[in-house]
Amino acid sequence: AQSVTQLDSQVPVFEEAPVELRCNYSSSVSVYLFWYVQYPNQGLQLLLKYLSGSTLVKGINGFEAEFNKSQTSFHLRKPSVHISDTAEYFCAVRGNDYKLSFGAGTTVTVRA
Amino acid sequence: EAGVAQSPRYKIIEKRQSVAFWCNPISGHATLYWYQQILGQGPKLLIQFQNNGVVDDSQLPKDRFSAERLKGVDSTLKIQPAKLEDSAVYLCASSLEGHYGYTFGSGTRLTVV
Repeated sequence: AQSVTQLDSQVPVFEEAPVELRCNYSSSVSVYLFWYVQYPNQGLQLLLKYLSGSTLVKGINGFEAEFNKSQTSFHLRKPSVHISDTAEYFCAVRGNDYKLSFGAGTTVTVRA
Repeated sequence: EAGVAQSPRYKIIEKRQSVAFWCNPISGHATLYWYQQILGQGPKLLIQFQNNGVVDDSQLPKDRFSAERLKGVDSTLKIQPAKLEDSAVYLCASSLEGHYGYTFGSGTRLTVV
């Protein structure tokens, strides 16, 4: 079975500053890793995913994440955030059973 | 392509009442999932369908929750009777068979009072 730990429950950040959201996973098999964003009163939208290949993954809205197998991490970064990036961010892991397991989420609040 | 459709968007019921949620996945998506998202937590898988068969319902509280997927397309999730702790957003997602990408619907927000 696989599980995900998001190390920060809330991340306040000023507009145009960089942000990093931390995610660690545990799994006994090969994993596929995802980051989703959830805006208020909306469903989950895929930001990016790691399936194989390059460990640096680029996603939508200027986000990127780096897969680190030795540290079992998949941290999400954005070099310069906007007010519109205020949302809940979820890290998720999927094993060979095709089921997604989510972390508890990180609330990002961008302030002017 | 059209997304995953869910209805209703919001529902308020009293405890011990029953409620049903509906999901229409993306056309051609064989796999359908129902997730429960309690406020402040990540989504938790309740049940997974492959076409009209159940693949995994190990996290579904079967004494009060039931789900079906008729003809391998639409799905309905029912709660009877509802408890206060069932207050949550219920998310439906679908994916192509063997594919790694999920598409989520906007969810149904249930409040049990």
